[in-house]
Amino acid sequence: GQNIDQPTEMTATEGAIVQINCTYQTSGFNGLFWYQQHAGEAPTFLSYNVLDGLEEKGRFSSFLSRSKGYSYLLLKELQMKDSASYLCAVTDSNYQLIWGAGTKLIIKP
Amino acid sequence: ETGVTQTPRHLVMGMTNKKSLKCEQHLGHNAMYWYKQSAKKPLELMFVYNFKEQTENNSVPSRFSPECPNSSHLFLHLHTLQPEDSALYLCASSQQREVTDTQYFGPGTRLTVL
Repeated sequence: GQNIDQPTEMTATEGAIVQINCTYQTSGFNGLFWYQQHAGEAPTFLSYNVLDGLEEKGRFSSFLSRSKGYSYLLLKELQMKDSASYLCAVTDSNYQLIWGAGTKLIIKP
Repeated sequence: ETGVTQTPRHLVMGMTNKKSLKCEQHLGHNAMYWYKQSAKKPLELMFVYNFKEQTENNSVPSRFSPECPNSSHLFLHLHTLQPEDSALYLCASSQQREVTDTQYFGPGTRLTVL
C-alpha cells in the first residue's frame, strides 16, 4: 500500500530551529509537496521538491532524498505564527497525490 | 487569502436535511477538487473536475453529489448524511489537472451531522 509517515505533533521554542520529517512508501515518485495549515484555515503551499537536495526559501527549507524515501522541512528562527500543522504530500507514478496526516507544530515562548 | 472562497464556513445539519457547499475560485484555474479532512487523518480526495468535466470520483458515497457549472464554481450537494460524515470539507483549485501543479485551497466548511 501507499503510505506517508509524519510525526503527529512536535513542540519547539520561539527562536529555535525545528525539523519535521516525512517518509514515504509510494508506487513511484513524481514530486513532494509541503503545505502549512493554521487551525481553521486553508492549507497553503510551502515547497515542492522533485530532485534530491535542499531547497531554501527564507526561513523555511525542504530537503529530499528519493533513494531513502525521505524528506524534511526545516524551520529556522521560529516565530509564534509558525504554530500550525505541516502536511507532506507525494505524487506517485500514476500522478495521484498521496497525503500524510500532518504534523502539528506547537511553538512555546 | 488564497483566491479560493468557500461558503458556508460552518454547517450543522440533521441526517434528513439537504444542503449544499459552495466553492469559488478567482485564479483562472481549470481544475477544481473536493477533499474531506478528518482529525488526525490524511486529506481524502473526493472529486476532481478538469475543464468542468468530472475526471475522478474516489468511491464517494452517493449521498455526496458534486456539481461544476463552470471552471470557477464547484458545489457539493449533501443529502441523508451520516454522523461519520462530520469533517472539514476543503475545496482546491489548480491551473490544470496536473498533479505537479500547486493546489490552492479554500478555508473549508466545517460540517457537523447530528
